Amino acid sequence: QQPVQSPQAVILREGEDAVINCSSSKALYSVHWYRQKHGEAPVFLMILLKGGEQKGHEKISASFNEKKQQSSLYLTASQLSYSGTYFCGTSNNAGNMLTFGGGTRLMVKP
Amino acid sequence: SQTIHQWPATLVQPVGSPLSLECTVEGTSNPNLYWYRQAAGRGLQLLFYSVGIGQISSEVPQNLSASRPQDRQFILSSKKLLLSDSGFYLCAWTHRGQGADTGELFFGEGSRLTVL
Repeated sequence: QQPVQSPQAVILREGEDAVINCSSSKALYSVHWYRQKHGEAPVFLMILLKGGEQKGHEKISASFNEKKQQSSLYLTASQLSYSGTYFCGTSNNAGNMLTFGGGTRLMVKP
Repeated sequence: SQTIHQWPATLVQPVGSPLSLECTVEGTSNPNLYWYRQAAGRGLQLLFYSVGIGQISSEVPQNLSASRPQDRQFILSSKKLLLSDSGFYLCAWTHRGQGADTGELFFGEGSRLTVL
C-alpha cells in the first residue's frame, strides 16, 4: 500500500526550515528518501532501516519512528538547490519491493 | 564507476504502435534491474524487476512486458500502446545482494513517452 506524504507542496524562502512526513498504514522495515528535479531522474538521499534511527546528510536529515509507522525528512536552512519533489519509498518487510509515496513538491525562493 | 543509460530520451507514438525502451548498466555485474513509470505529477510505480538473465517479475498487470537478454540489459516493450501508457519511464538498478528494500536505487535519465 502506498505511503502517504504530507504536505503535498510547500514554498519556502531561502534559509527557512521544512519537514516532510511519510506515513504508512503497515509496520515499516525500511524508508528511502529521494529528490527529483523537474524532468530528471530521482537522486538518492538516504535509507533508514527498522530500529528508529536518525540520519543526517549535510543540512538534510531524517528520522524513523517505528511506533508511529512514520518517517520525517528535515531540511534546515534551505537553499535554492533544495527545490524539487521529494519522494519517500517504504518497504514493509525484508525483501519486499519499495512502494513510493505521491511526492512533496518543495520550492525554495530567494 | 557504474553508469546507467536509457534510450530513447523522448518519443511520441500513436495509439496501437509498438514500443521498445532500452536500458544498459555498465561497471557492475549481476545487478538487480527495475522499470518504474511515473505519470505526470505522480509518484513512482514499479512495473517490473529482474534479479538475473531471463528472470522477470511483474508488479502490475498491463500491456507492457520486460525482458533481460543480457546481464546488464533491460528492455521494456509493448505490442500495442494505449493512451494510458504515456508517462516518464525510469530504469534503475541496485547492487546484487541488495534488494530495493535496503539498497540504493540508481536511476537512469528516463524516457518520456507520449502516446497520441
